Amino acid sequence: ETGVTQTPRHLVMGMTNKKSLKCEQHLGHNAMYWYKQSAKKPLELMFVYSLEERVENNSVPSRFSPECPNSSHLFLHLHTLQPEDSALYLCASSQDYAGWGETQYFGPGTRLLVL
Amino acid sequence: GQQVMQIPQYQHVQEGEDFTTYCNSSTTLSNIQWYKQRPGGHPVFLIQLVKSGEVKKQKRLTFQFGEAKKNSSLHITATQTTDVGTYFCGGGSNYKLTFGKGTLLTVNP
Repeated sequence: ETGVTQTPRHLVMGMTNKKSLKCEQHLGHNAMYWYKQSAKKPLELMFVYSLEERVENNSVPSRFSPECPNSSHLFLHLHTLQPEDSALYLCASSQDYAGWGETQYFGPGTRLLVL
Repeated sequence: GQQVMQIPQYQHVQEGEDFTTYCNSSTTLSNIQWYKQRPGGHPVFLIQLVKSGEVKKQKRLTFQFGEAKKNSSLHITATQTTDVGTYFCGGGSNYKLTFGKGTLLTVNP
């Protein structure tokens, strides 16, 4: 399954570091998503981009900053994170951004540990 | 906002036993989707149900969508060790999928 790739796969960072997560989709999709997956919690939708425009920002702290330079690439810039931000960050894509909720194709995720 | 509850949170079965997980939404859904996440892996799409009362089968897996389009179930007949993982439902409406917490299935060989 190489439709959606994410790098790095694992990341350890201190609270004062700045790092970026990268996602690339090879499916020709028009929408891309960032999710946070923590233990014992549902998948939390963070951001949605449709045709490179941000269409959703679910009350995410400003220490997370997304960027979508084109429809195939999505970044999540991380700055002064907190230990509670440690989680699996999943990127996903869908054909379009539609009212009924499109099928999501997930990348392998970046497992982030904030010390 | 929309909430999707999924039960049970965990289920341990002996190989060969059946397994069912249930999903309930606080609002009427446009569709329900099911995903499987293997340990250490990422969610992988299994199926989408759209119509009220719809039933779909994939080999030993049977998926149902309730008449009111607010609940769904996934049933696995005669579980195998390869069925191990977390099964998530995602309720589709308002341009997004709202996921349940998932049911972690473990199978004792």
